Amino acid sequence: GQNIDQPTEMTATEGAIVQINCTYQTSGFNGLFWYQQHAGEAPTFLSYNVLDGLEEKGRFSSFLSRSKGYSYLLLKELQMKDSASYLCAVKLYVYNQGGKLIFGQGTELSVKP
Amino acid sequence: DSGVTQTPKHLITATGQRVTLRCSPRSGDLSVYWYQQSLDQGLQFLIQYYNGEERAKGNILERFSAQQFPDLHSELNLSSLELGDSALYFCASSAQGAGPYNSPLHFGNGTRLTVT
Repeated sequence: GQNIDQPTEMTATEGAIVQINCTYQTSGFNGLFWYQQHAGEAPTFLSYNVLDGLEEKGRFSSFLSRSKGYSYLLLKELQMKDSASYLCAVKLYVYNQGGKLIFGQGTELSVKP
Repeated sequence: DSGVTQTPKHLITATGQRVTLRCSPRSGDLSVYWYQQSLDQGLQFLIQYYNGEERAKGNILERFSAQQFPDLHSELNLSSLELGDSALYFCASSAQGAGPYNSPLHFGNGTRLTVT
């Protein structure tokens, strides 16, 4: 089966750095996405990794190690508006059967003043 | 604004009824995905269409069906509704779909379905 694990909740302080980890065990791996979702709203795309290494995008960075089935999302200079759920999602691809994006349960991040 | 439009925003109906949720993808996107999000389950993949054809299936119940029309909009039909079907239903679209290539999914604002 497909399994994606991430911590349920995290708390951090405004201005600090936080790292949200994600481990996965899937077949047909074809990339890993991070999404941000505020309560009751649509998920919004943050980053994408398909090769090992670090992708940096402003205050957000994402890392992937395919051999370890591991990724993390790094958020720097935290702001109150970063309080949200962060979803790790793995793109699965099976030839002639299309692709699915499978999501983890999400990590609820609370940023405190 | 993601460019993905979902209607209606809210839907309240009774058990046993049937509803249709509608989604218009971003201009130029050929792939449409449907997801269900309930409080205890996270985002669950239901089904994907690419240019009118079903391409991938997830945990979609037999009571649920979907289709993508020639103008690329999609509808998700939910029938014989049960209390447990109450959830947020999201539609997402992307430029690609069937191949190994990737483009991010862009989500609509969802339809909140309440079954009473």
